[in-house]
Amino acid sequence: AQRVTQPEKLLSVFKGAPVELKCNYSYSGSPELFWYVQYSRQRLQLLLRHISRESIKGFTADLNKGETSFHLKKPFAQEEDSAMYYCALKKPGGYNKLIFGAGTRLAVHP
Amino acid sequence: GAVVSQHPSRVICKSGTSVKIECRSLDFQATTMFWYRQFPKKSLMLMATSNEGSKATYEQGVEKDKFLINHASLTLSTLTVTSAHPEDSSFYICSAEGTSGTISYEQYFGPGTRLTVT
Repeated sequence: AQRVTQPEKLLSVFKGAPVELKCNYSYSGSPELFWYVQYSRQRLQLLLRHISRESIKGFTADLNKGETSFHLKKPFAQEEDSAMYYCALKKPGGYNKLIFGAGTRLAVHP
Repeated sequence: GAVVSQHPSRVICKSGTSVKIECRSLDFQATTMFWYRQFPKKSLMLMATSNEGSKATYEQGVEKDKFLINHASLTLSTLTVTSAHPEDSSFYICSAEGTSGTISYEQYFGPGTRLTVT
């Protein structure tokens, strides 16, 4: 069965420190992975997807099929990055059904 | 950008009553809408996928007779929690996605509806 694991519930760092939010997945086929972010009192929104290979707000994520990981990284965290981050895997079988990880709360302190 | 709204944002109902939650895509046509449920401090759990004009597809373990989904138009899907019980209290979130030919757009999420069953 497909599964997304985010092992850390909370990641607390100081402003300017590097950040890595971990995401591992289990899926036998070619995965399509996403990172979603939810800022305080706001709705969930797409941050980035692996097929785009883009950098959004300084965040990047590389798909590592060998390690079945899709960790989210940013070299220098900012206070405004504080939010809940969810890793998601697109389910196979048509439609863009998403399987979400449990989420990691990132807290960036001044 | 694409906006998805939900109504109501909060609802409190008595056990045994039914509650309807609306999900609207405000500035695009959503061929597919998704309904999620989020328990406190837990992740989003996909409940069902609805396509305009056809029956919803429910995920395993989700009672289709309890969570009625209707997708009557390209901009509106409704979730009705029938005969609600306290254990149905949760945060319900919808998302909407449009497509153009073979191209799928990303999912845009609504703000969620907090349901409390007393």
